[in-house]
Order: sequence, then C-alpha cells, then structure tokens
Amino acid sequence: GAVVSQHPSWVICKSGTSVKIECRSLDFQATTMFWYRQFPKQSLMLMATSNEGSKATYEQGVEKDKFLINHASLTLSTLTVTSAHPEDSSFYICSARLRDTDSNQPQHFGDGTRLSIL
Amino acid sequence: DAKTTQPTSMDCAEGRAANLPCNHSTISGNEYVYWYRQIHSQGPQYIIHGLKNNETNEMASLIITEDRKSSTLILPHATLRDTAVYYCIVRAANDYKLSFGAGTTVTVRA
Repeated sequence: GAVVSQHPSWVICKSGTSVKIECRSLDFQATTMFWYRQFPKQSLMLMATSNEGSKATYEQGVEKDKFLINHASLTLSTLTVTSAHPEDSSFYICSARLRDTDSNQPQHFGDGTRLSIL
Repeated sequence: DAKTTQPTSMDCAEGRAANLPCNHSTISGNEYVYWYRQIHSQGPQYIIHGLKNNETNEMASLIITEDRKSSTLILPHATLRDTAVYYCIVRAANDYKLSFGAGTTVTVRA
C-alpha cells in the first residue's frame, strides 16, 4: 500500500516552455503533498507543501510564480514549471502524507521526474 | 541547521549485517527518528522510524540509544540491491516537513 505515482518519469523540452508534473496517491487519500527538487550529487531540497483545497506554502527562495502548485483533490497534486530555463533542469520528486493518520506516520515518495530543459 | 550527522560513506559485504550510525545529539523529546534510502535515480523509500523504543520491520531494525542522542539502522543481511544513499532524519510529530542531509552512501560489495 501507500503508492505514490509521478508522471511523467522524464521530460525534455525547449527553453521557455511550461511543464506540468503530476503526483498521484494511488491507494490512499493524501491531505498533504510535498514537492522536492534534487540537483546532481546533492540532497533533496523541499520546495513547497501542498494542501488539498488551499494555497501551497513555499520554502524560502522558491518562486511561487515560477513553480505553480495545484492540489485540487485528495489524490492529485500538480507542479507546473512555467517558462522553464536550463537552470530549472533537475530531478523533481513528490511525496504524500496519508489523510487522517497519526502525525508520526511517514511520507511516501514518488519515483521522481527528471526534467531537462534545452 | 543539520539535526543529524552520518558518515559520508560505508562499504558492506553482501550477506553480512550493515550497521548504519546516526548522531542526533540535539533531538527533542517529541522528535522521531526516520530512515529513508534513495537508490540511484529513484525517489526515497521509507525504511523505518521510531521515537525511543527499538523497532523492527521486514526491511530493517532501528536501535535508539537510551538517551536518544544516536541511533543505528541495521540491515540484517545486506544484498547488492541495498546499495543506496541512506538518510537519517529527525522530525517532530506535528511538523511534517522532512529535512534531508547528505546521508550515507552505502555500497554493498559481493
């Protein structure tokens, strides 16, 4: 159980285009989803926290107009990288927290989306 | 601020137990210890977590010292597929954010 799916797994696109990444909880409802970014040979960095039905909370230094997050349902959150540039190339990973569970329960992660901007 | 300290890398022999240490000397009373691992080019995988008692599941055992200032993740019989970066993370129950450090790169060798 507790499977999180991301789509697409990888994407290559031209500079200036916008890219949408989906994060779905397949067998559970997720009150909260998280978006991380990981550059090569670095650790994961939290970008934003996405709560169903409300605006996302962004970490310091992350541009909310650049990285649009929508969490329209309890099983789906999307991250849109707007007007992507080569410096946005990275590994984007989402995670989800089960709804109505003990607060110490772990997050479950998707397999990530590798984004390459040419 | 880094809440945990882990060795940069470790080599383990296939079939032997792998003991991964983590120091969290500033841990608070309401903070849990979580272990995740990340195999190359994949998302992190949850392994185990605990507050103060030792924990065991199908993947690993977690040994937390009595003063809770350090812990050890034990992979009982390491396989080549256990090669990954292992992250030890401290998190309060009501703070859902995970802060990933550099982790320990574990290489299991045949």
